[in-house]
Amino acid sequence: GAVVSQHPSWVICKSGTSVKIECRSLDFQATTMFWYRQFPKQSLMLMATSNEGSKATYEQGVEKDKFLINHASLTLSTLTVTSAHPEDSSFYICSASLQGGEQYFGPGTRLTVT
Amino acid sequence: LAKTTQPISMDSYEGQEVNITCSHNNIATNDYITWYQQFPSQGPRFIIQGYKTKVTNEVASLFIPADRKSSTLSLPRVSLSDTAVYYCLVGDDRSADGLTFGKGTHLIIQP
Repeated sequence: GAVVSQHPSWVICKSGTSVKIECRSLDFQATTMFWYRQFPKQSLMLMATSNEGSKATYEQGVEKDKFLINHASLTLSTLTVTSAHPEDSSFYICSASLQGGEQYFGPGTRLTVT
Repeated sequence: LAKTTQPISMDSYEGQEVNITCSHNNIATNDYITWYQQFPSQGPRFIIQGYKTKVTNEVASLFIPADRKSSTLSLPRVSLSDTAVYYCLVGDDRSADGLTFGKGTHLIIQP
């Protein structure tokens, strides 16, 4: 099956700093990538949808200026959490799909903001 | 997207067959039913997908009645490693939209 990777797998940063998370589709070209966030003991919540070469579409309540998404190529999307605060601590998961087909999920990135 | 309802938690024992039922009364004609498995601190993993009747793969079976308003994921002879959260999702397989996850079912397998 298709493989999606994320880097880093975990990160600890200080409040006020920015953190970049990468999502890569390793063996296929993903026309669309999605970013989800999951708080402890809760379900995944879709944050945004990004298509290669165009601006991301954010879900209601997700600040686009805080969560910067760049989908510069068909195999890479990045999520940058700007000016991170402790409440941004969460598990961030990306998924990738080819032309609206099945989504393949990455292993997730654990962000802890101190 | 059709809303889904699943039990919050279930428990069983090693070697047993486990059936998790999901209700989706508002399923649309173009919607497929997909089940994912998630272990702690990992991304969801696709288990099985179906449209109607029965689908079986090497991991599980999916039973869908004629009215498609519910579905049952069947895990044969579970082991401790099947302890996870199982999500039932309903949506158009051709859609380019992100997925809407419900609360899922936390399955706990005991020795």
